[in-house]
Amino acid sequence: QVQLVQSGAEVKKPGASVKVSCKASGYSFTEYYVHWVRQAPGQGLEWMGWINPTSGGTNYAQKFRGRATMTRDKSISTVYMELSRLTSDDTAVYYCARDNDSWTVPAPIGSKWFDPWGQGTLVTVSS
Amino acid sequence: QSILIQPPSASGTPGQRVTISCSGSTSNIGSNYVYWYQQLPGTAPKLLIYRDNQRPSGVPDRFSGSKSGTSASLAISGLRSEDEADYYCAAWDDSLSGWVFGGGTKLTVL
Repeated sequence: QVQLVQSGAEVKKPGASVKVSCKASGYSFTEYYVHWVRQAPGQGLEWMGWINPTSGGTNYAQKFRGRATMTRDKSISTVYMELSRLTSDDTAVYYCARDNDSWTVPAPIGSKWFDPWGQGTLVTVSS
Repeated sequence: QSILIQPPSASGTPGQRVTISCSGSTSNIGSNYVYWYQQLPGTAPKLLIYRDNQRPSGVPDRFSGSKSGTSASLAISGLRSEDEADYYCAAWDDSLSGWVFGGGTKLTVL
């Protein structure tokens, strides 16, 4: 079945970077965009951006441009999200989520949705 | 402050019907589809409604979505204890060129 499995929890100090992985299985890895969404403790969902696993092309939310970097390794069907210059405000659960449909299917961006989701990775930033 | 505005909480008794609103603007809800996600405690969000009012297979028909102008609503009829969760609306925003979410509504079944 289609599945996204994320790396384990991380604890980082302020100013450091964190790199979270998301391993895909059960589908053709290069055919579906992967998004990153985060959720601070007790807060709502916040979209961070997406990566096209075929080209490596990315689109970041304005808030994360210059600080977030999304990459992929096609050989192991894995996407990564690295966030630099961490502060306590970055303490959150980070989710990866796949587009429901392949990017090869012509459709407006807003006509696709996130399904499935990874299990989430807790990143704690603390001195 | 979230781009899409939802009430922070809602509640109902078993069997009742509850609705959760989601207010946006012309750049998001007014020109793009709305999606609803359900997040049970300690789990990842799960798609509940897609493209304004469509239910994925496996989602009970007790859940329904609607949209009018720049606002959308999620209705849950025949409320059950297992519906107790956080609910989020989402839409693509043309001005921001990104996805936006509501702040979430915590549904309590009394």
